[in-house]
Amino acid sequence: GAVVSQHPSRVICKSGTSVKIECRSLDFQATTMFWYRQFPKQSLMLMATSNEGSKATYEQGVEKDKFLINHASLTLSTLTVTSAHPEDSSFYICSARRQRGLEETQYFGPGTRLLVL
Amino acid sequence: AQSVAQPEDQVNVAEGNPLTVKCTYSVSGNPYLFWYVQYPNRGLQFLLKYITGDNLVKGSYGFEAEFNKSQTSFHLKKPSALVSDSALYFCAVRDIAGTYKYIFGTGTRLKVLA
Repeated sequence: GAVVSQHPSRVICKSGTSVKIECRSLDFQATTMFWYRQFPKQSLMLMATSNEGSKATYEQGVEKDKFLINHASLTLSTLTVTSAHPEDSSFYICSARRQRGLEETQYFGPGTRLLVL
Repeated sequence: AQSVAQPEDQVNVAEGNPLTVKCTYSVSGNPYLFWYVQYPNRGLQFLLKYITGDNLVKGSYGFEAEFNKSQTSFHLKKPSALVSDSALYFCAVRDIAGTYKYIFGTGTRLKVLA
């Protein structure tokens, strides 16, 4: 149980185009999902918290107009990188929060590697 | 602010030997602590967590972690390392109640030598 998928796993796009990344919780409902960015050999940097049915909460320094997040259902959150530039190239990882009673754990997707040419 | 520190960038251990990956934390209140493992070009896999209860937490793949309140540590351990344990390990602490955000350490690369 507790499987989170991401699609696509890898994407190459031209500068100026937009790219959508999907994050799905396959066997549980997640009212909250998180989007992280990871640079090579570095830790995960939280970009935003995605809340089902409401606006995402962005971390300081993350441009909300550039990284659009939509959490339309309890099992799906999407991250759209708009007008992508080479500096947006990175490994993007989502996680979904599962709550069972008082216990909660985040489960992570396999990541999406974005390369902007 | 909540934080975790992983003081070692890399840990090398011989196959069959015990391994320890260190993590210390700084939190206000009771800590919620986690260990995750990441293989190359993959997301993070959950290993174990400490919320409350026994200080020794057992997790996946034979890993365990010891919560030590006096030393504010949550070191990851395994009695006998496997080459397949070679990966990047992250310690994390949950942020203050209500946000559910996780704060990650910088990661420790474990290399198990055959």
